[in-house]
Amino acid sequence: QVQLLESGPGLVKPSETLSLICSVSGASVGSNYWSWIRQPPGKGLEWIGYIHYTGNTNYNPSLKSRATISLDTAKNQIFLNLDSVTAADSAIYYCSRDRVGGTDYWGQGTLVTVSS
Amino acid sequence: QSVLTQPPSVSGAPGQRVTISCTGNSSNIGAGFDVHWYQQLPGAAPKLLIYSNNNRPSGVPDRFSGSKSGPSASLAITGLQAEDEADYYCQSYDRSLGASVVFGGGTKLTVL
Repeated sequence: QVQLLESGPGLVKPSETLSLICSVSGASVGSNYWSWIRQPPGKGLEWIGYIHYTGNTNYNPSLKSRATISLDTAKNQIFLNLDSVTAADSAIYYCSRDRVGGTDYWGQGTLVTVSS
Repeated sequence: QSVLTQPPSVSGAPGQRVTISCTGNSSNIGAGFDVHWYQQLPGAAPKLLIYSNNNRPSGVPDRFSGSKSGPSASLAITGLQAEDEADYYCQSYDRSLGASVVFGGGTKLTVL
């Protein structure tokens, strides 16, 4: 069974960098695409970006190059860095596995609040 | 404002049929990109409900079905049950945004 578990600080100060880790079990990050998706409390889903094990990445243009996604095949982990955060970046952050047939596995999500 | 447009809410009585629309344009759904649907129960992560327009993953009841025509897609739920009360999201891809993944704004389904 594929499982994804997000981890990272629950509180980040404005203008700092948000850093999250997604630990994957039951599948290898050395295959498929892997995404980060976020959801502000009470609002809809927003795609942040994806990475392929080859290193190919694609990001939501609305994030204006603030996001960086990387992976470590040895640790079977995926990483998200989001620079220069503001209160608008407060959200539940999900990591997920993407296939041609949609996003088939999601982590439980981790809540990140941006506040001084 | 979401690239894909969904009604904010729909409702129906137990046993009834409801549909949720997802409207895009010639850069996304109308360009031929597949549409996927997700169900998000309260307090939970989204779950893949329909993939590639009209396919159900293993374990999803056949009460749920999807369709796509032109720049729009629809999710239909028949035999509505109380446990279907959730938020539903459509997802596709947009070539004007560099083949980015795009979501609809979500639809809250209330079972009366």
